[in-house]
Amino acid sequence: NAGVTQTPKFRILKIGQSMTLQCTQDMNHNYMYWYRQDPGMGLKLIYYSVGAGITDKGEVPNGYNVSRSTTEDFPLRLELAAPSQTSVYFCASSTNTGTDTQYFGPGTRLTVL
Amino acid sequence: AQSVAQPEDQVNVAEGNPLTVKCTYSVSGNPYLFWYVQYPNRGLQFLLKYITGDNLVKGSYGFEAEFNKSQTSFHLKKPSALVSDSALYFCAVRDRISGNNRLAFGKGNQVVVIP
Repeated sequence: NAGVTQTPKFRILKIGQSMTLQCTQDMNHNYMYWYRQDPGMGLKLIYYSVGAGITDKGEVPNGYNVSRSTTEDFPLRLELAAPSQTSVYFCASSTNTGTDTQYFGPGTRLTVL
Repeated sequence: AQSVAQPEDQVNVAEGNPLTVKCTYSVSGNPYLFWYVQYPNRGLQFLLKYITGDNLVKGSYGFEAEFNKSQTSFHLKKPSALVSDSALYFCAVRDRISGNNRLAFGKGNQVVVIP
């Protein structure tokens, strides 16, 4: 199993550009999550999904969109990139049991200039 | 709302000495508690979790943590630190009542093990 994979690893965007961060998991997990990590701030939940076709907002959803058409994939869309979106983005997945561990991808480092 | 506090930004410890990383939490009900570790330029890796039962939880790489309900704490410990333990450590909590598996993470503690 590859676990959770994310692409790209790095990206530089100009202000106002758009992009999609890709996330795929091969563990047949129902739950998937997108976090951003800023220095000294821990991880903040952007969006999450409890299954294909179902998504919901987390703590910091503004400026982002998601979709979940399959169990495996959970892309994160940035529209009109802003410098405040410079961060490291992590995708994670888990089963639908409350005690389960979340498994994280390697992250995407995004810089908006 | 659930939240986690990790009061120290950085923990410095000499190799071979005991390592402790502190975590306190706040939830409205009973908690599920987790520790994750992040090595440079990597994603988070699971270390251990407390769900129920024994308050002392043993995890990967010789780490353990003790759940203390009265002090609302879940401190991470290792009896003898290694240089390779130098990393960023995150505590996370989930309220048992919540139905969506959402975790609240602390800001992280940088651990530096000095040779």
